[in-house]
Amino acid sequence: QSALTQPPSASGSPGQSVAISCTGTSSDIGDYNYVSWYQQYPGKAPKLLIYGVNKRPSGVPDRFSGSKSGNTASLIVSGLQAEDEADYYCSSYAGSNIYVFGTGTKVTVL
Amino acid sequence: QVQLVQSGAEVKKPGASVKVSCKASGYTFTSYFLHWVRQAPGQGLEWMGIINPSDDVTTYAQKFQGRVTMTWDTSTSTVYMELSSLRSEDTAVFYCARDKGHQNYYASSGYYDYWGQGTLVTVSS
Repeated sequence: QSALTQPPSASGSPGQSVAISCTGTSSDIGDYNYVSWYQQYPGKAPKLLIYGVNKRPSGVPDRFSGSKSGNTASLIVSGLQAEDEADYYCSSYAGSNIYVFGTGTKVTVL
Repeated sequence: QVQLVQSGAEVKKPGASVKVSCKASGYTFTSYFLHWVRQAPGQGLEWMGIINPSDDVTTYAQKFQGRVTMTWDTSTSTVYMELSSLRSEDTAVFYCARDKGHQNYYASSGYYDYWGQGTLVTVSS
């Protein structure tokens, strides 16, 4: 099972929006709506941001939103803030009780 | 509150094995699947496998098949991940993560809602 493909980096100025793509195949993202997104600061464990493609756990700001089209999922961070500077990972179910992460995207707030 | 507390850092020689523990508290241990995730230094997250503490079912990523064993002890609400035949490329932080599951039926979801603090395993001669 290959990792999902994410851009290595993304950036934006405070207040702007940044979109991160996560491209898989018809065997993972394209076949299931079990897509989630995680935020990770250096030296820390990841944090669940989005699950079920577009659902937010309680406590996650509505600046974070998710979507999916075909084999590609997307995370949009609106109203970018300094504390959004972190690494972001997508994840998807790939069938047969197998899961896969994305390659990760480093978001920089300019 | 839900907590996953992992064992401490390890230093191992190539060819050895390591066993990392993850003690769960604050929820019903057998009601949630648990995953193990690896992160090499400066690298991304890598899914290793999943364990169902209620029915003895484990599934491992193909990459780790034959080298990884995930077990649990219901009496102490602890899951274990043992990785054998260690090589330098296995140097990484290993995380356990609870699967959020689904609201209306019992199955894994791949949504990791709680994470352990991570365990650094260093493989060096």
